[in-house]
Amino acid sequence: SQQGEEDPQALSIQEGENATMNCSYKTSINNLQWYRQNSGRGLVHLILIRSNEREKHSGRLRVTLDTSKKSSSLLITASRAADTASYFCATDAGGSGSRLTFGEGTQLTVNP
Amino acid sequence: EAGVAQSPRYKIIEKRQSVAFWCNPISGHATLYWYQQILGQGPKLLIQFQNNGVVDDSQLPKDRFSAERLKGVDSTLKIQPAKLEDSAVYLCASRHQTDQETQYFGPGTRLLVL
Repeated sequence: SQQGEEDPQALSIQEGENATMNCSYKTSINNLQWYRQNSGRGLVHLILIRSNEREKHSGRLRVTLDTSKKSSSLLITASRAADTASYFCATDAGGSGSRLTFGEGTQLTVNP
Repeated sequence: EAGVAQSPRYKIIEKRQSVAFWCNPISGHATLYWYQQILGQGPKLLIQFQNNGVVDDSQLPKDRFSAERLKGVDSTLKIQPAKLEDSAVYLCASRHQTDQETQYFGPGTRLLVL
């Protein structure tokens, strides 16, 4: 099964609302990262949280990490139509190479 | 700073044909990755290079896929012969030596095998 499983698979909200996406993983990690992918485009790095951190903020993004539950959440506050995209969590187990293992993603639709 | 460049952006081929993708990483980035992203799924690592050496190719289907990075800069990924299930977006990413955590992705090549 997948390392890094997001839920929900799809989320539809109105502009101005908050969006919360969750990610679960199975093995120990060095860090966990969130990426955004707009339709037909490459992945854009949003935020990284290390295994010894519990919460991190970047603009309208808030990420939490619970290593005891092997889970993370991404909160986007005051969403905008431009936030419509697929969001992926990716885990980095550390060691040489910084190899990322991606989840299946959450498709977020923000309606104007 | 220019981003990761990939070409072509789209490719349509018939099964059993061969195809090649090209990637030019961000200048100075020693580490280069190729990922396969099937529709509706997350990217899956195919191969990772450090300069011109392979670090990890454990998930590369070596009977049909090959990749090289001869001079430690540009890289090509080849599929020969292609199968229907190879239809996917092929993403290239690169990472700087001093930033052990952040990968920068190109726009990808969308492959359709008929």
